[in-house]
Amino acid sequence: EPEVTQTPSHQVTQMGQEVILRCVPISNHLYFYWYRQILGQKVEFLVSFYNNEISEKSEIFDDQFSVERPDGSNFTLKIRSTKLEDSAMYFCASSGGSGGQETQYFGPGTRLLVL
Amino acid sequence: KQEVTQIPAALSVPEGENLVLNCSFTDSAIYNLQWFRQDPGKGLTSLLLIQSSQREQTSGRLNASLDKSSGRSTLYIAASQPGDSATYLCAVNGQNFVFGPGTRLSVLP
Repeated sequence: EPEVTQTPSHQVTQMGQEVILRCVPISNHLYFYWYRQILGQKVEFLVSFYNNEISEKSEIFDDQFSVERPDGSNFTLKIRSTKLEDSAMYFCASSGGSGGQETQYFGPGTRLLVL
Repeated sequence: KQEVTQIPAALSVPEGENLVLNCSFTDSAIYNLQWFRQDPGKGLTSLLLIQSSQREQTSGRLNASLDKSSGRSTLYIAASQPGDSATYLCAVNGQNFVFGPGTRLSVLP
C-alpha cells in the first residue's frame, strides 16, 4: 500500500542552524501538508501546498519557514534559523484531489531537537 | 477560529467493552472530519473520514458519526482489544485542518 515517507526520522541541531525536513508524498496525490506536534501538545497545522504554491498557512508558519517541491517526488520544509521552541515532531501529509477534501495520509514524522 | 475538543481526555476499559469517544467543534462550516489513531512516539494513522454531507462511516469494529449542525462527532469502538490502546485524535477540515487534543485509550487484558 502506498505510504508517505519522511527523512530523517530524527534530527538534532544547534539553535540558529538551518534544517531541511524531507517528505515523499504518495505518488498520485496533489495536496501536501506540514504539521507539527510539540511534545505533549496538539497536532498543529503549518502549511498546505497545491499546484506548486502555498494554498494555506497558519500563524506559526512565519518567515523562517519555507516549503518547496524541488522535483516530482519530494516535498521539503526548511527552517532557516532554528529556535529552541521549534523542537517538535514534524509530520508531512498528502491527499488526492477534490480540493483537498479527501483523506489525508500522514508520514511517520521527523523528530527535531534544537539545542 | 475553529476550536476542537475531545472528551474524555483519557479512558481505561477492560477488554471486550464497547466504548464511545467524543469530539466537538465550534464552527460547523467544515468539509469533513477525520479520526486518527496515534501510537506513542509515532505518526498518525487515518481511521475514518466523514464528509460533511454524511452522517456516519464504518470500518470494521469502528463507527464514526457526524452531526455537523451541533458540532459533534463520535467514534464508537466495538469489542475493544488491547491492541486498540492508543491516542485517538479527531481533526476537522474547514479553512484548514484543526486537531483535537486526543483521547488516550487503554484497553486492559
